[in-house]
Amino acid sequence: EVQLLESGGGFVQPGGSLRLSCAASGFTFNSYAMSWVRQAPGMGLEWVSNISGSGGGNSYTDSVKGRFSISRDNSKNTLFLQMNRLRVEDTAVYYCAKEGSGGSYIDSWGHGTLVTVSS
Amino acid sequence: DIVLTQSPDSLAVSLGERATINCKSSQSVLYSFDNKNYLAWYQQKPGQPPRLLIYWASTRVSGVPDRVSGSGSGTDFTLTISSLQAEDVAVYYCQQYFDTPQTFGQGTKVEIK
Repeated sequence: EVQLLESGGGFVQPGGSLRLSCAASGFTFNSYAMSWVRQAPGMGLEWVSNISGSGGGNSYTDSVKGRFSISRDNSKNTLFLQMNRLRVEDTAVYYCAKEGSGGSYIDSWGHGTLVTVSS
Repeated sequence: DIVLTQSPDSLAVSLGERATINCKSSQSVLYSFDNKNYLAWYQQKPGQPPRLLIYWASTRVSGVPDRVSGSGSGTDFTLTISSLQAEDVAVYYCQQYFDTPQTFGQGTKVEIK
């Protein structure tokens, strides 16, 4: 059974930093691309970033480019999201997500970790 | 970016009746190389993460009831729940993974009438 367990969320002031982690189990981690998807309170889903299985390729939504950095440690089956220069509008539940085989649909989701950016 | 527009924003359907949700894409998500539509559907219940229901526009995930189906091609897609059950109350999202950034529709809330 695929399990994705996020950690690292919390309260931070604007301009601050947080590092999210996602511990993965139940599948061959390095064989799958992984994503971060966020959901602001009461709002819809927004894809944030993804990274290839090897870690050699990644993409970001425009609003986080230059501020967020996705990475993975395949030896520890762990996905990361380093978030710098945080803004109030980054407040959301951040989901760790496993992409499917052959396409970037998301076939497994973690339960999410809440990031609150406020002064 | 590809914009996905879902309709309606919400709908109330009687138990056992059909629920239909539409998703219109601002550009085609049909990839001519493999003739696949890069579109998925998700269900999200309150306090839970989303759950994948359909991918490649019409491929149902194992364990998803067969009353749930996806159809469409190119720019116009539909999620149909043929006989609404109480456990289907949720918000439903379409997603395109044809291009980066992946984008989601705004969501459709399904309730019981």
